[in-house]
Amino acid sequence: QITLKESGPTLVKPTQTLTLTCTFTGFTLTTSGVGVAWIRQPPGKALEWLALINSVDETAYSPPLKSRLTITKDTSKSQVVLTMTNMDPVDTATYFCARRLTNSGAKYFESWGQGTLVTVSS
Amino acid sequence: EIVLTQSPGTLPLSPGERATLSCRTSQSISSTSLAWYQQKPGQAPRLLIYAASSRATGIPDRFSGSGSGTDFTLTISRLEPEDFAVYYCQQTNNVQYTYTFGQGTKLEIK
Repeated sequence: QITLKESGPTLVKPTQTLTLTCTFTGFTLTTSGVGVAWIRQPPGKALEWLALINSVDETAYSPPLKSRLTITKDTSKSQVVLTMTNMDPVDTATYFCARRLTNSGAKYFESWGQGTLVTVSS
Repeated sequence: EIVLTQSPGTLPLSPGERATLSCRTSQSISSTSLAWYQQKPGQAPRLLIYAASSRATGIPDRFSGSGSGTDFTLTISRLEPEDFAVYYCQQTNNVQYTYTFGQGTKLEIK
């Protein structure tokens, strides 16, 4: 069974750095074609992809947010960590991590964590 | 950057009816790069369709995807009460290695 779970602070102050951890079970991030992504959703709004790391440590970032994001993985702990610097109230959102699979050229987010709500406020 | 435009924004229908949801991309894309998700309130999204027309594991066959180029469609043949939710399309850019979601279509009970 595939599970992903996000953890981290629920409240951060403006200008602070957010660190979120995705802990997953049921798969390994060493399998070719597998990746873990972070996706967020402001209250009442649409999904926004943030970052992804794959089995060979290649990373990809949302262009508008690239300068603020870092994604890393710890394969031994089955964890992926996202850091986002200089947090602002507009970054208030539910943050999801998701497993990305690759199948005959198709890439998609096949399993998702439950999400964690992060509020940015002083 | 490829922009995904979903229509309509809200679709009021009754159980038993057929739902047709549209996702248009700002430039032509490969069908393999288009996926659809369902999201219910307070829940994470669930993968429905990948590669434009392939159903994900466990997805009922009343859900189907079609399309090519810039026009893609998610069809729910006969709505069940549990199908009322928000639906998102998502595109993978295999050149820039980025992922983009549409703004969503809310399927609501009429």
